[in-house]
Amino acid sequence: GAVVSQHPSRVICKSGTSVKIECRSLDFQATTMFWYRQFPKQSLMLMATSNEGSKATYEQGVEKDKFLINHASLTLSTLTVTSAHPEDSSFYICSAPPGPSDGYTFGSGTRLTVV
Amino acid sequence: AQSVTQLGSHVSVSEGALVLLRCNYSSSVPPYLFWYVQYPNQGLQLLLKYTTGATLVKGINGFEAEFKKSETSFHLTKPSAHMSDAAEYFCAVRGGGTASKLTFGTGTRLQVML
Repeated sequence: GAVVSQHPSRVICKSGTSVKIECRSLDFQATTMFWYRQFPKQSLMLMATSNEGSKATYEQGVEKDKFLINHASLTLSTLTVTSAHPEDSSFYICSAPPGPSDGYTFGSGTRLTVV
Repeated sequence: AQSVTQLGSHVSVSEGALVLLRCNYSSSVPPYLFWYVQYPNQGLQLLLKYTTGATLVKGINGFEAEFKKSETSFHLTKPSAHMSDAAEYFCAVRGGGTASKLTFGTGTRLQVML
C-alpha cells in the first residue's frame, strides 16, 4: 500500500535553532501534502497544505514565516520550524492522499522538543 | 464545510466485550468517511473508509462501521475487544477531490481491561 516516510521521528533542538522535517511518498506521487500538529491527548490540527510547484496554503493563525513548507517534488515535502521556541514543542505529522477517494496516508510523525 | 463529532473522549470496555465508538458528521457534500487508529507516538493508520456503495464497511483488525445517512452517523464497532485494541481512535470526513482536507473529530481513547 501507499507509504509516506517521515524523518526524523524524534528531534531535540535548542531554542533559536531551526529544524527540518521531511516527508516522502514512497510508492505514489503526492501532488498535495498536508501538515498537522498534535498536542498531547488532542486531535490533529491542520497547519498547512503544500502543493508541488506552488506556494503552500496556511491555515488561519499559523505563522508562515515560522513554519516554512516546501514541496520540492512529487515525492518530497518539507516543514522547517525556524527559530524554534519551547512552545513549538509538539508532534508533527504529514499526510497525503494516494487518490481522490482514498483516506490519507500518514507519516509516522516527528516528536519535536525545543529546550 | 465538514465537521465531525465524536461522542465520548474516553471509552472503557472489558476484553471480549463489544466495542462501540460513536461518530456523527456534518457535510455539505456527499461525504467520504474514515476511521483511523493512533498508537502512542505514532502516525495514524487507516482502519476503514466509506466512499460510495455498501453502507456497512469492514476494515482491518475486525473493525467495521455503518454509514447511516439519515442519522448522519458512522459509528465504529468490533464484536470482541482485544487488549491490543487500546489506542486513540479518530473519525474523519472529507469531500471529494484529491486536495480536499480531512477534518478530524476530537478522538476517543479506548481502554481495554482484563
